Amino acid sequence: DGGITQSPKYLFRKEGQNVTLSCEQNLNHDAMYWYRQDPGQGLRLIYYSQIVNDFQKGDIAEGYSVSREKKESFPLTVTSAQKNPTAFYLCASSRVETGANVLTFGAGSRLTVL
Amino acid sequence: GNSVTQMEGPVTLSEEAFLTINCTYTATGYPSLFWYVQYPGEGLQLLLKATKADDKGSNKGFEATYRKETTSFHLEKGSVQVSDSAVYFCALVFWGKLTFGQGTILTVHP
Repeated sequence: DGGITQSPKYLFRKEGQNVTLSCEQNLNHDAMYWYRQDPGQGLRLIYYSQIVNDFQKGDIAEGYSVSREKKESFPLTVTSAQKNPTAFYLCASSRVETGANVLTFGAGSRLTVL
Repeated sequence: GNSVTQMEGPVTLSEEAFLTINCTYTATGYPSLFWYVQYPGEGLQLLLKATKADDKGSNKGFEATYRKETTSFHLEKGSVQVSDSAVYFCALVFWGKLTFGQGTILTVHP
């Protein structure tokens, strides 16, 4: 079955450490996205990529970095510069089209800073 | 810019009650509209969508109609079940940019 796999599901980090969250899709989608979810705030876009080797900042990119070396993979690094990294992180993908972009989401990764 | 406003939750209902979750939007043109659902501990799943005015999206007993005149896309279900307990997100897409509402928590008791 096609879908999006995020790992790890739970991750604990000490302050000052960088961590990388994995996102892999086998849907042959061109576009991939990272969202952050905090209670009562909905989803906020961190980064997105519409093509390999290219990505764009979203609304809250500071303290995060991404790469898109392969169509299937879009890892997110939460750096020590991110002041409040504890959150639920969701990866998504979609076809690239001008109409109704339907996103397929992964199951999420919960990051807790100790 | 574009924005989506959902009714504040949480919403608590008894099984078989009627559900309405309000959603209104602001956009400079005519976006496509979506409802996503997030079950506990999981990612989001598309529940239904509508791509033009007066379209009705429906799935699993849920319905929503795209109302251009009131810029609304309210989610309704005639008889909720305990298994419908989840967080519901209204969203719009316009020129490829997706904007989410803040989410509404629904809890259904037996």
